Amino acid sequence: GNSVTQMEGPVTLSEEAFLTINCTYTATGYPSLFWYVQYPGEGLQLLLKATKADDKGSNKGFEATYRKETTSFHLEKGSVQVSDSAVYFCALSAFGANAGKSTFGDGTTLTVKP
Amino acid sequence: DAGVIQSPRHEVTEMGQEVTLRCKPISGHNSLFWYRQTMMRGLELLIYFNNNVPIDDSGMPEDRFSAKMPNASFSTLKIQPSEPRDSAVYFCASSSMSGTDSGNTIYFGEGSWLTVV
Repeated sequence: GNSVTQMEGPVTLSEEAFLTINCTYTATGYPSLFWYVQYPGEGLQLLLKATKADDKGSNKGFEATYRKETTSFHLEKGSVQVSDSAVYFCALSAFGANAGKSTFGDGTTLTVKP
Repeated sequence: DAGVIQSPRHEVTEMGQEVTLRCKPISGHNSLFWYRQTMMRGLELLIYFNNNVPIDDSGMPEDRFSAKMPNASFSTLKIQPSEPRDSAVYFCASSSMSGTDSGNTIYFGEGSWLTVV
């Protein structure tokens, strides 16, 4: 079956530090890959996505590249802000019978200190 | 644009009582999901519907849980009787899914925060 493995948290960084949150996946075929973000007291919302190999998703200074050879979709940001403090979820969505059933990682909590 | 709308946002109920959570998906979306989130178990998919039909309910924890989607614009998740271990945040989400496209985003509601005492 499909699975997503994220870097365990929590992650604590100082403002303006570089961020990497690792994500690797297992899936049959060629899934689409997503990063969702959950701010305190809110639901998850899409941060970025990539639908095919070598695609780069980007949004709000965050980037992730779909690496088929390493089955990875690591999230990066060059300079984090306090407002980036949230929980980040890596997810995949596959074709076929399970097209509607996205698989989520366990989430990584990021805290950015001023 | 209106997002996924859930009610109630917060509910505190006594053990043994019936709880009904409600959801209005984004207009035009044909898939609807119910998730549960707790500190211990993280985010769990309970059930999902496609075109109002339940496709996979393998995540529904017990017979005390039931979900319905009588039409494209409304769904309920019911817990009867409720127990303290059901305390969690319950998210409804929707998407415009098709079997030929895996790149569709799931849109989450703000969640219903349930406490069973």
